[in-house]
Amino acid sequence: SYELTQPPSVSVSPGQTARITCSGDALPRKYAYWYQQKSGQAPVLVIYEDTERPSGIPERFSGSSSGTMATLTISGARVEDEGDYYCYSTDSGGDHRGVFGGGTKLTVL
Amino acid sequence: QVQLQQWGTGLLKPSETLSLTCAVYGGPFSDYYWTWIRQPPGKGLEWIGEIHHSGSTNYNPSLKSQFTMSVDTAKKQFSLKKTSVTAADTAVYYCARGSANGSGRKFDFWGQGTRVRVSP
Repeated sequence: SYELTQPPSVSVSPGQTARITCSGDALPRKYAYWYQQKSGQAPVLVIYEDTERPSGIPERFSGSSSGTMATLTISGARVEDEGDYYCYSTDSGGDHRGVFGGGTKLTVL
Repeated sequence: QVQLQQWGTGLLKPSETLSLTCAVYGGPFSDYYWTWIRQPPGKGLEWIGEIHHSGSTNYNPSLKSQFTMSVDTAKKQFSLKKTSVTAADTAVYYCARGSANGSGRKFDFWGQGTRVRVSP
């Protein structure tokens, strides 16, 4: 079955840039989506279609994709950005078969 | 503002049936892919599947057709069922609205989550 691979954890100091990667063989052809989840809460969409930011999401969140890797970048990370981040995409088939990455725990301290 | 409100049985015994429903308020029901996602305790998110308002479905092939989804467009509700649950089905279950762009899906609204525990 198709898999998306993320690093288990990323740690930065406040004000630094955090980068979280997501690798998958179908990413050159399929969009990546990014979700932030804080403890005990439902996930929140922070990036869609590789690079688009929903309204209400701070500009410090950005996305990019190149080849088999998508990247979520948080420029000037803040303590409130701590949480788990998941990438999401679909495999290379015609029908939608969704897959989440394993998640990355972001620590800002 | 779109809201998804979900409910269902929170405590089940092994072999019983899991049944969850999600209602959509404040927005259209058509042209979206209504999705179920679960998260076992301390683990990551798992896509279970989706149902279009037309009734067409896509399921996670790794779950081997264990789940069944249905939709009631008149009530703007969609449901998830699984017979013969086991401890491995213990998780928080989320419903979500999927907006499509080609084969991609943007989950822009989520339910509050339902905690399901399977215990003898």
